[in-house]
Amino acid sequence: GQNIDQPTEMTATEGAIVQINCTYQTSGFNGLFWYQQHAGEAPTFLSYNVLDGLEEKGRFSSFLSRSKGYSYLLLKELQMKDSASYLCAAMDSNYQLIWGAGTKLIIKP
Amino acid sequence: IAGITQAPTSQILAAGRRMTLRCTQDMRHNAMYWYRQDLGLGLRLIHYSNTAGTTGKGEVPDGYSVSRANTDDFPLTLASAVPSQTSVYFCASSDSLEAEQFFGPGTRLTVL
Repeated sequence: GQNIDQPTEMTATEGAIVQINCTYQTSGFNGLFWYQQHAGEAPTFLSYNVLDGLEEKGRFSSFLSRSKGYSYLLLKELQMKDSASYLCAAMDSNYQLIWGAGTKLIIKP
Repeated sequence: IAGITQAPTSQILAAGRRMTLRCTQDMRHNAMYWYRQDLGLGLRLIHYSNTAGTTGKGEVPDGYSVSRANTDDFPLTLASAVPSQTSVYFCASSDSLEAEQFFGPGTRLTVL
């Protein structure tokens, strides 16, 4: 079957660094997406990885290892506005996204 | 209009009633999607459309139908609503199947 696993909740301190892990099992693979979702709002796109390695975009970076079925999202210099849920989604061979349940990130001052 | 709009924002519906959730995008995206989001679960794909005139079933299509008469609109219809269809419904679109998806603001539906 197809499955995405990510932690339910994480807590971090303002100004610190946090890494949110995601493991996936899909029928075929066409890339790994990360989305941010603030409470009561729509998901918004953060990053996309299809090749192994690290993609950096400002304070956010995303890493992919296809052989391990593993990705992480790294958030640096955390700000209070980063408090949100972070959704990991893998694209299968039919180009459909399989979504994790999301990681709720709580930022403390 | 900028991006994707959904209507209504929220709705309370009696079980057995018919309901259509509307979705319109102005980005001329080829692909459109309907998801439901329930607490503790990931987004689940209900139906999708790769291009105008075509539709396909997602992971949880039962009880729902869609149509794609043109590029911009992708309505989702519940023929006879049941309480298990209480959820937040998101419409999304993408330029192509492998591209990032842009989401509408969602419709919160409660079926009593």
